[in-house]
Amino acid sequence: AQTVTQSQPEMSVQEAETVTLSCTYDTSESDYYLFWYKQPPSRQMILVIRQEAYKQQNATENRFSVNFQKAAKSFSLKISDSQLGDAAMYFCAYRSAGGYALNFGKGTSLLVTP
Amino acid sequence: DTEVTQTPKHLVMGMTNKKSLKCEQHMGHRAMYWYKQKAKKPPELMFVYSYEKLSINESVPSRFSPECPNSSLLNLHLHALQPEDSALYLCASSTSQGAQETQYFGPGTRLLVL
Repeated sequence: AQTVTQSQPEMSVQEAETVTLSCTYDTSESDYYLFWYKQPPSRQMILVIRQEAYKQQNATENRFSVNFQKAAKSFSLKISDSQLGDAAMYFCAYRSAGGYALNFGKGTSLLVTP
Repeated sequence: DTEVTQTPKHLVMGMTNKKSLKCEQHMGHRAMYWYKQKAKKPPELMFVYSYEKLSINESVPSRFSPECPNSSLLNLHLHALQPEDSALYLCASSTSQGAQETQYFGPGTRLLVL
């Protein structure tokens, strides 16, 4: 089974600053999908950004962007101009092209300070 | 509209009770999922329904019984639960079961088994 590793249990960033959350994964497959989900204290899991492995271009979504390094099996999330509302647990997830399940990492808790 | 709704928000039940969790989506999605999330842990897949038929059961104990009465509704029937079943139960849906499809999550039902 593919494993997803988020090595930073907690991160802190000041408002308006930039923070990068790391994610690595272990797979022997060439075709797969990667996701970052955000889970605020209200507990609703929200999709932040997704990346198809066959696309070389890094995905971006407003203040959120990823650095996808396929050879290194790395998928980090950069949050620019951090806002208080960005405070949440962030989960990195992997889904095999032939699979049905999202394999989640253990999450990174992001604290945003004024 | 990417809304998945879940009721109730909170549920307390005894080990001899029978209760049901409800999930609803009106996005025309044909795949629906149940996840279980323990505190400070990532979600774990329980069941997948595709076109109203159960396609995946991740070896979940029979005291959890899913049901998909129609394409918009997903239920999880609970009977004779154990205290260790206390968790946040998340429902998700996607256009289809395909790996490329983004899963949209509901806010969850927080279950406490006494």
